[in-house]
Amino acid sequence: DIVMTQSPDSLAVSLGERATISCKSSQNVLYSSNNKNSLAWYQQKPGQPPKLLISWASTRESGVPDRFSGSGSGTDFTLTISSLQAEDVALYYCQQYYSTPYTFGQGTKLEIK
Amino acid sequence: EVQLVQSGVEVKKPGESLKISCKASGYTFSSNWIAWVRQMPGKGLVWMGIIYPGDSDARYSPSFQGQVTISADKSISTAYLQWSSLKASDTAMYYCARLEALRSSFDYWGQGTLVTVSS
Repeated sequence: DIVMTQSPDSLAVSLGERATISCKSSQNVLYSSNNKNSLAWYQQKPGQPPKLLISWASTRESGVPDRFSGSGSGTDFTLTISSLQAEDVALYYCQQYYSTPYTFGQGTKLEIK
Repeated sequence: EVQLVQSGVEVKKPGESLKISCKASGYTFSSNWIAWVRQMPGKGLVWMGIIYPGDSDARYSPSFQGQVTISADKSISTAYLQWSSLKASDTAMYYCARLEALRSSFDYWGQGTLVTVSS
């Protein structure tokens, strides 16, 4: 199985400041057929199912605010929130979908400082 | 509008069987993979397996192979997750989610089914 490791486990950022979450995969998740990285980011708020924010490492889903961005390639990826808003308090998970089982990172808890 | 609506809360005893459901609407059910994801209380997301309703091709995480069965009935656009003998460690929230293709992210999620197994 591909192991996904996120850092940090928790993060406190002031409103309006930048938040950065890292995700590392134990194997390269670059899909040669489309030259895209098979990496997604999800946001989960308490009592809700996860919500897809970003697919293919950097493609923001429709309706997701542009303060959310994804970057990286191969085995190292980053989710950045450029200016933290109160509604961004949540758990964030990365996931690889390069090979089954499509494993998730352990999650990063984002809070307001 | 794509929707995945899951069955309701379940409270079971160890050793009992259970089948929970995920009813899809708003798209062609047989054309997209459906995944099942476990989230134990206070823990992260764990991929259990996926099924392609068009031909019932199911693939399991090694951690869940033999422990659960994933199935689908395309005539009623519903996917299922079942256990033959529940354990206390099966207590969790279970989500279904849709994949755009086999190798893709999960673009739509059900609301979750809470399963509690306790004597």
